[in-house]
Amino acid sequence: KQEVTQIPAALSVPEGENLVLNCSFTDSAIYNLQWFRQDPGKGLTSLLLIQSSQREQTSGRLNASLDKSSGRSTLYIAASQPGDSATYLCAVRGTGNQFYFGTGTSLTVIP
Amino acid sequence: GAVVSQHPSWVICKSGTSVKIECRSLDFQATTMFWYRQFPKQSLMLMATSNEGSKATYEQGVEKDKFLINHASLTLSTLTVTSAHPEDSSFYICSARVPYGELFFGEGSRLTVL
Repeated sequence: KQEVTQIPAALSVPEGENLVLNCSFTDSAIYNLQWFRQDPGKGLTSLLLIQSSQREQTSGRLNASLDKSSGRSTLYIAASQPGDSATYLCAVRGTGNQFYFGTGTSLTVIP
Repeated sequence: GAVVSQHPSWVICKSGTSVKIECRSLDFQATTMFWYRQFPKQSLMLMATSNEGSKATYEQGVEKDKFLINHASLTLSTLTVTSAHPEDSSFYICSARVPYGELFFGEGSRLTVL
């Protein structure tokens, strides 16, 4: 069964810093990988989707990479802002219809 | 991106009553929707996969008679928590997948059973 791990579980950085969130998965036979953010008491907001054939995706200050063979993805956030504070989740879609979620990284950006 | 709407966002009910939560895909058709449960400070736990026009597929350990799922149209899936008890209090979230594979989530529904 696919297992998805996110490190670190929590991260606190001063405003303006660049940061990297990590996601690892045990089964490289994936269809795609998606990054989400979740604000307290809210649903998940999709940030970036990387198909299995892609290496990276970019949206504004966010850049996500995918290395399928090593079972890793990173989410890079440039010039962090207090509004980036949230929990970030990665999800891996298996070759079927299943989605596997990591436990998330709780990010706090200090003004 | 696509929009998935959930209603209600917050519901409080008495023990023993049933509660229905709706999940709608507003600008696309979703043959498959997913229902999750989330406990505080934990990740999402998939409860069931809702398939339009057929029975839902439940994850192991999820009671089918307790959590009734109906997916009667391509834009609406409902989750009914029957005879709710305090231990059913949780945050319930639905999601739907667009054809190219991206997953979109509703805003979540917080259920509190007194």
